[in-house]
Amino acid sequence: SYVLTQPPSVSVAPGKTARITCGGNNIGSKSVHWYQQKPGQAPVLVIYYDSDRPSGIPERFSGSNSGNTATLTISRVEAGDEADYYCQVWDSSSDHSVVFGGGTKLTVL
Amino acid sequence: QVQLQESGPGLVKPSETLSLTCTVSGGSVSSGSYYWSWIRQPPGKGLEWIGYIYYSGSTNYNPSLKSRVTISVDTSKNQFSLKLSSVTAADTAVYYCARGTGWGAAAGTVFDYWGQGTLVTVSS
Repeated sequence: SYVLTQPPSVSVAPGKTARITCGGNNIGSKSVHWYQQKPGQAPVLVIYYDSDRPSGIPERFSGSNSGNTATLTISRVEAGDEADYYCQVWDSSSDHSVVFGGGTKLTVL
Repeated sequence: QVQLQESGPGLVKPSETLSLTCTVSGGSVSSGSYYWSWIRQPPGKGLEWIGYIYYSGSTNYNPSLKSRVTISVDTSKNQFSLKLSSVTAADTAVYYCARGTGWGAAAGTVFDYWGQGTLVTVSS
């Protein structure tokens, strides 16, 4: 089955740029979606199809995907961005299944 | 604004069947543009997709759960449901229902609306 690997934690100071990676075998050939989840809340879609933003998501959130790594970038980080972030793909190979990464806890220092 | 709401027992005994229903408002499960998924999250852990259903009744399940999962849809009530059989403590989780959009090979697998989630505990 397809595996997505995320760092367990990322820390960043307010106003700086946070980059959260999502590794997978040839992930650049897949479409990657990203979700933000704050404690006690349901996940929220923040990036879809690698780099598109749903309405209402700040332009500070952006995404890229190439080779074996997809990246969620959050510019000018704010305290309110502190959350867990999950990447997700559709594995159309053997399993035909949705796959989530293990999640990354973003801490704003 | 689309809203999804999970409902069902919060406590299930080991070896029994977990049953949950998701009621959709502000949208229709009969829309051919969307798929309807169940996703779960064990306490303190990550997200796991369980499966989805299309309004026609077509389904796709996570291979790791396929033998125990049934997802059904009731278009007259604008609801879809989850049944997970032979549960163990490992099935204790917050269960979310979600609307899936997207196109191409990944149709139905971009989750743009989620329910608030419901905690189901498996314990005797």
